[in-house]
Amino acid sequence: GAGVSQSPSNKVTEKGKDVELRCDPISGHTALYWYRQRLGQGLEFLIYFQGNSAPDKSGLPSDRFSAERTGESVSTLTIQRTQQEDSAVYLCASSLPGGRSEQFFGPGTRLTVL
Amino acid sequence: SQQGEEDPQALSIQEGENATMNCSYKTSINNLQWYRQNSGRGLVHLILIRSNEREKHSGRLRVTLDTSKKSSSLLITASRAADTASYFCATDVGGTSYGKLTFGQGTILTVHP
Repeated sequence: GAGVSQSPSNKVTEKGKDVELRCDPISGHTALYWYRQRLGQGLEFLIYFQGNSAPDKSGLPSDRFSAERTGESVSTLTIQRTQQEDSAVYLCASSLPGGRSEQFFGPGTRLTVL
Repeated sequence: SQQGEEDPQALSIQEGENATMNCSYKTSINNLQWYRQNSGRGLVHLILIRSNEREKHSGRLRVTLDTSKKSSSLLITASRAADTASYFCATDVGGTSYGKLTFGQGTILTVHP
């Protein structure tokens, strides 16, 4: 596809349930990022995958959050035992290798935890 | 704390006027980028300025960077209603963290027709 895609676009879940969010980056982009954006706030870095290197997980807020990436393609962000404070838009971005760090964003997944 | 802090938090202007947004950051950077976000969804990259550059233009956008003051500004000239959006600066500190961006809280720009 032409851009970064994310699914689902909206997810409503009950507190305590697990959710899985998916990101399809632009083909050829070795770097992939997950961010969280609470209403009216800036972007909060969660995790960063770069090629075959170990991911930078320094932004994950708790051990309920985890993410995986298959090679240089799809990534999934999993939130276990969701809490109401997890409600936010989760944004995925990817970028080119070779010294260019402009990030291309997907439309995001709006997660609502009831 | 955020690496980038935008100022003002909100800006309201009339169509045709210029809009200036500022960003301050704390640590040395490799580059600084500006992004636009419409309707709280995906961000769109506007412009990247490297640490050895002082000014950059793209269409109606002008970005300046002052590394001695650790600050940047984004100027939108002859604004249009379609420029209404949130604008974020993001810093890349380079090194082993190259490519990893730290975003500020954003400036909400409203352009009235």
